[in-house]
Amino acid sequence: DTGVSQDPRHKITKRGQNVTFRCDPISEHNRLYWYRQTLGQGPEFLTYFQNEAQLEKSRLLSDRFSAERPKGSFSTLEIQRTEQGDSAMYLCASSLGGLPEQYFGPGTRLTVT
Amino acid sequence: SQQGEEDPQALSIQEGENATMNCSYKTSINNLQWYRQNSGRGLVHLILIRSNEREKHSGRLRVTLDTSKKSSSLLITASRAADTASYFCATGGNTPLVFGKGTRLSVIA
Repeated sequence: DTGVSQDPRHKITKRGQNVTFRCDPISEHNRLYWYRQTLGQGPEFLTYFQNEAQLEKSRLLSDRFSAERPKGSFSTLEIQRTEQGDSAMYLCASSLGGLPEQYFGPGTRLTVT
Repeated sequence: SQQGEEDPQALSIQEGENATMNCSYKTSINNLQWYRQNSGRGLVHLILIRSNEREKHSGRLRVTLDTSKKSSSLLITASRAADTASYFCATGGNTPLVFGKGTRLSVIA
């Protein structure tokens, strides 16, 4: 069990650029969640998948954000036309459907300059 | 939006002392979880308490839940410098988690 991994760990980009993050969940976990965390705050839910189906999207997820989990394994989160307000830690978590505990990756820290 | 609030926002104690942090939430729950986050890292699940439980222990951790007051507390006994982290309560589970703002705990050696 290698845990949840995320790539990259850090990303610095200029405003207006597109960025894509990847999350690899624990292999047998069928649920995958994306959260965003800003300094001094708790994580806030963005979206989640059960297998390849995207089940819910938060109102925080503007139309510049898109997430996929094409084969029910890894997931990508893309942010188009980044803004300074997108600067945050993006956290991925996975769980085994039906169980409440979620297992988090180390996060991707995005800085938009 | 945040489900609730942890209290205090920050706590500084000496190694060996006990640390207590509280969490309040807004809606009915099936369970409540506590997570730890070391600086700039991902979150680690610590303990889960179900709505029909009032108290639960795991090692040096003790969690209580009062559903009538919509509140929970996390007690860390005999704290260590390695316990320095932010602690979050979260509701949900089997659905997206809703976190509070967290308590930043500093344990001074």
